Amino acid sequence: EDKVVQSPLSLVVHEGDTVTLNCSYEVTNFRSLLWYKQEKKAPTFLFMLTSSGIEKKSGRLSSILDKKELFSILNITATQTGDSAVYLCAVGRNYGGATNKLIFGTGTLLAVQP
Amino acid sequence: DTEVTQTPKHLVMGMTNKKSLKCEQHMGHRAMYWYKQKAKKPPELMFVYSYEKLSINESVPSRFSPECPNSSLLNLHLHALQPEDSALYLCASSPPRGDKLFFGSGTQLSVL
Repeated sequence: EDKVVQSPLSLVVHEGDTVTLNCSYEVTNFRSLLWYKQEKKAPTFLFMLTSSGIEKKSGRLSSILDKKELFSILNITATQTGDSAVYLCAVGRNYGGATNKLIFGTGTLLAVQP
Repeated sequence: DTEVTQTPKHLVMGMTNKKSLKCEQHMGHRAMYWYKQKAKKPPELMFVYSYEKLSINESVPSRFSPECPNSSLLNLHLHALQPEDSALYLCASSPPRGDKLFFGSGTQLSVL
């Protein structure tokens, strides 16, 4: 059975701290790994990773994928209160035909205190 | 336009009601999705439409009936729901075989 596991489940830090969120997976026909940020309703896209060892970076956020060890990390440096959200990891797999399927992890709830 | 629009934003319905959730996108995406998300849980896939044809049904009860009238619209018809169906219903779209999903803001559904 396909599985995506995130850790920690929740995290409380202070502004300025650096955090590392983890995502491990066991998914057949892996295509990609995606990170989303969910503050209230709509998950918003952060990164998509398909190749091992290549870091994706956007401002204070960065992410990397290890396809041999089947995990990814999301780093946030110099955290701000606006980073408080649930961070979702999702793995895309082939499902036949023209259809893709995203399998979501449990999410990490990040709270950044002033 | 990179938006997926869902209506209504909130819905309260009784167990005998019939209602519909609507989703619209104008990004030219040919794959559209319904996800269900309970509080403090990740989104769970319900249905996938690809080129207006239902391609995935994740064993969803028949009281949920999806419809894709054209490439821009996706509906979810609800009938005889149970209180445990109360959740956030998220619509998403992507290019065919595209991995990046664009999500709408969801419909918060309460079944009384």
